[in-house]
Amino acid sequence: DAGVIQSPRHEVTEMGQEVTLRCKPISGHDYLFWYRQTMMRGLELLIYFNNNVPIDDSGMPEDRFSAKMPNASFSTLKIQPSEPRDSAVYFCASRTRGAYEQYFGPGTRLTVT
Amino acid sequence: QKEVEQNSGPLSVPEGAIASLNCTYSDRGSQSFFWYRQYSGKSPELIMSIYSNGDKEDGRFTAQLNKASQYVSLLIRDSQPSDSATYLCAVNPFNAGGTSYGKLTFGQGTILTVHP
Repeated sequence: DAGVIQSPRHEVTEMGQEVTLRCKPISGHDYLFWYRQTMMRGLELLIYFNNNVPIDDSGMPEDRFSAKMPNASFSTLKIQPSEPRDSAVYFCASRTRGAYEQYFGPGTRLTVT
Repeated sequence: QKEVEQNSGPLSVPEGAIASLNCTYSDRGSQSFFWYRQYSGKSPELIMSIYSNGDKEDGRFTAQLNKASQYVSLLIRDSQPSDSATYLCAVNPFNAGGTSYGKLTFGQGTILTVHP
């Protein structure tokens, strides 16, 4: 079975540009999570969805960040406008209802210059 | 106070030794606990889950849970250089009503180095 799929794997952009990260969860998983990882702050939960509905977005750093899940097999995380401090690795993870184990995608390494 | 605390390390052990990784958590209502391994430049990979007090063994890995002490550990027997990675402890917190928040809280991770 395919795991969590993320694209792109690497993104380099200039400050002020819009960035869109994409995620396809494992088929049949009801929950989808977006994380950001940096050396300084570790792994931070940004937002998570249950059945395509955002449940907790308290980790979204500011209004420049937005996330959507239009259907069960696709989610996006958008940063507009991007800033150098947004440089990090962004992970998407998913899990099934009733089990708390989360499975991570390969991540997107974002560099904002 | 951090919700999940781990020694950042690095923890260095010789090949063949037992590596002991520790984690404490602050939420007494937490019900399930996980260990993830993350190689440099890779994503976290689930290696152990534990739900009940006591030990759970899987190959060279043993997870130990003590809810009264709010403590969970991971033992790696016969450590190999390929075990060198960052190990993340994750906890599933529950609210006062006994309902899961639905998410995991991660520690900062412990860097393990196994030297030949």
